[in-house]
Amino acid sequence: KAGVTQTPRYLIKTRGQQVTLSCSPISGHRSVSWYQQTPGQGLQFLFEYFSETQRNKGNFPGRFSGRQFSNSRSEMNVSTLELGDSALYLCASSKDRAYQETQYFGPGTRLLVL
Amino acid sequence: AQSVTQPDIHITVSEGASLELRCNYSYGATPYLFWYVQSPGQGLQLLLKYFSGDTLVQGIKGFEAEFKRSQSSFNLRKPSVHWSDAAEYFCAVGAGSSASKIIFGSGTRLSIRP
Repeated sequence: KAGVTQTPRYLIKTRGQQVTLSCSPISGHRSVSWYQQTPGQGLQFLFEYFSETQRNKGNFPGRFSGRQFSNSRSEMNVSTLELGDSALYLCASSKDRAYQETQYFGPGTRLLVL
Repeated sequence: AQSVTQPDIHITVSEGASLELRCNYSYGATPYLFWYVQSPGQGLQLLLKYFSGDTLVQGIKGFEAEFKRSQSSFNLRKPSVHWSDAAEYFCAVGAGSSASKIIFGSGTRLSIRP
């Protein structure tokens, strides 16, 4: 079956703009988590959604937000982009709770903020 | 606060040699522990996970890890590495509500010497 897909794969934005990233989980998976990966900070948890509800949130400013739709697809939005938001954004899906079920990661969206 | 430490930033081993990657965690309760691998330009792949029970966990690609509560460690091992094992390896702990929040270590880059 198809894996986790993320669109777009690459994105270039300028400071102050906003961006929306999309994640389609594996069919049947209801949990979607988002992570930011940077050389300096490593992999950091952003948030997790399950059945359209945010279940957990990491330590990121309010400029980072997300949502999940009834078909489990998820989007994350970053408003007022800063240079430091340049990163690889990874999405992962699992059937249910992330710690009980294997999380499958997508290839990521690489965001460059100029 | 929960945290994961991978003390080795970069390790080089010869092909066919044994491998051990170190991981130490800090977590108040019984941890949920994971090892992930990330090849260049790709997303993360779960190698193995520990929730409870047998402290020696077998994973994919011939990897295993041993949970040692007394040492707060979850080291990854492989008896004989292959050139294809060159990648970045991340240790992680499940935290937060329902342990859905995954906290990653900083990663260990593994190079293989021919």
